[in-house]
Amino acid sequence: EAGVTQSPTHLIKTRGQQATLRCSPISGHTSVYWYQQALGLGLQFLLWYDEGEERNRGNFPPRFSGRQFPNYSSELNVNALELEDSALYLCASILVYTGELFFGEGSRLTVL
Amino acid sequence: DAKTTQPTSMDCAEGRAANLPCNHSTISGNEYVYWYRQIHSQGPQYIIHGLKNNETNEMASLIITEDRKSSTLILPHATLRDTAVYYCIGAGGTSYGKLTFGQGTILTVHP
Repeated sequence: EAGVTQSPTHLIKTRGQQATLRCSPISGHTSVYWYQQALGLGLQFLLWYDEGEERNRGNFPPRFSGRQFPNYSSELNVNALELEDSALYLCASILVYTGELFFGEGSRLTVL
Repeated sequence: DAKTTQPTSMDCAEGRAANLPCNHSTISGNEYVYWYRQIHSQGPQYIIHGLKNNETNEMASLIITEDRKSSTLILPHATLRDTAVYYCIGAGGTSYGKLTFGQGTILTVHP
């Protein structure tokens, strides 16, 4: 069974550009969580999508947005990139029965 | 959602038991304690979870105090590959909507 997959693995952008990151949850999982992990720091909660709707968001500006598609895959968009947006972006889906999160390997975004 | 407190770092000798503490004094009655670990910028990996009884699986044991204000993750025979950042989080009910990770404990296993 395929795990959570994320793409691209690495992405390099310049300030002011937009970045789009993608996530496919484990088959049958309908919730997707996004986290930001800056170098040397813990995981910061970004967004939670469930059944196609944004259900909750962390303390991030509106230029961080996303969506969830009918097949439950998800996309994270970061507009007007700033240097401090450089981080590992992790996506996770949840097994509802146990509450266990399954993480992808992440997308590393570098903003120059 | 429960706020958790963990030591910043711990050391352990290879082959010995690693005991990682976590304080979660604000945990609510329907929130489970979950443990994850993250090895060098890979995606975090689930280890174990429990509500109020002690739990054991092939990776670790989880001891939760009777008042549920703290817990200990036990890796019975630590190996070098157990070197990682270990996170404990409280989650249940509506707090599944904002699963928040703290800074975690950096566990270093020495030869």
